[in-house]
Amino acid sequence: GQQVMQIPQYQHVQEGEDFTTYCNSSTTLSNIQWYKQRPGGHPVFLIQLVKSGEVKKQKRLTFQFGEAKKNSSLHITATQTTDVGTYFCAGGRSNDYKLSFGAGTTVTVRA
Amino acid sequence: GAGVSQSPSNKVTEKGKDVELRCDPISGHTALYWYRQSLGQGLEFLIYFQGNSAPDKSGLPSDRFSAERTGGSVSTLTIQRTQQEDSAVYLCASSLLFYEQYFGPGTRLTVT
Repeated sequence: GQQVMQIPQYQHVQEGEDFTTYCNSSTTLSNIQWYKQRPGGHPVFLIQLVKSGEVKKQKRLTFQFGEAKKNSSLHITATQTTDVGTYFCAGGRSNDYKLSFGAGTTVTVRA
Repeated sequence: GAGVSQSPSNKVTEKGKDVELRCDPISGHTALYWYRQSLGQGLEFLIYFQGNSAPDKSGLPSDRFSAERTGGSVSTLTIQRTQQEDSAVYLCASSLLFYEQYFGPGTRLTVT
């Protein structure tokens, strides 16, 4: 079945630095979504990418969908303590209403 | 408007007992999902409901797990003869078809 892999599993970042988390699918996706889960909270939707090569920005967050629609990345610039949490990618296929969630990247920030 | 709500927020039960977890989705959302999240882990898909279609039960880990959705709205996840490995946070989410999922706060289940 479809698998979505995320790396790294953990990301320890100095405040102010940039980092990137990656998401790779074994199959072509129709769309990819990103969610953020704060410690003790529930996942909250961040963004959805649909088009091949699509790039979307939300303030310091940049999301990319690969040309082959099998991978995606989330880049955060100038990391802040508010960025702490686990970031999940979730891949969708056109003939399946389910999303396949990656295992997540847990981000901690050193002040 | 109100988001997805789940009850109870916490449930402690003895091994072997049955439990029922409830999810109230966002009004008008046709799709409803149940996930399980163990401590520090990702989201494990359990079951999916879409409108009046037959549910996708492909993620249910055993026949002790079942779920229903009444009137296309409220859903109940039932775990029979609970085991310690069932301890986890059970998350419910709802969405419009192919759109983002809105998650509830979850039910933390502890089986002693």
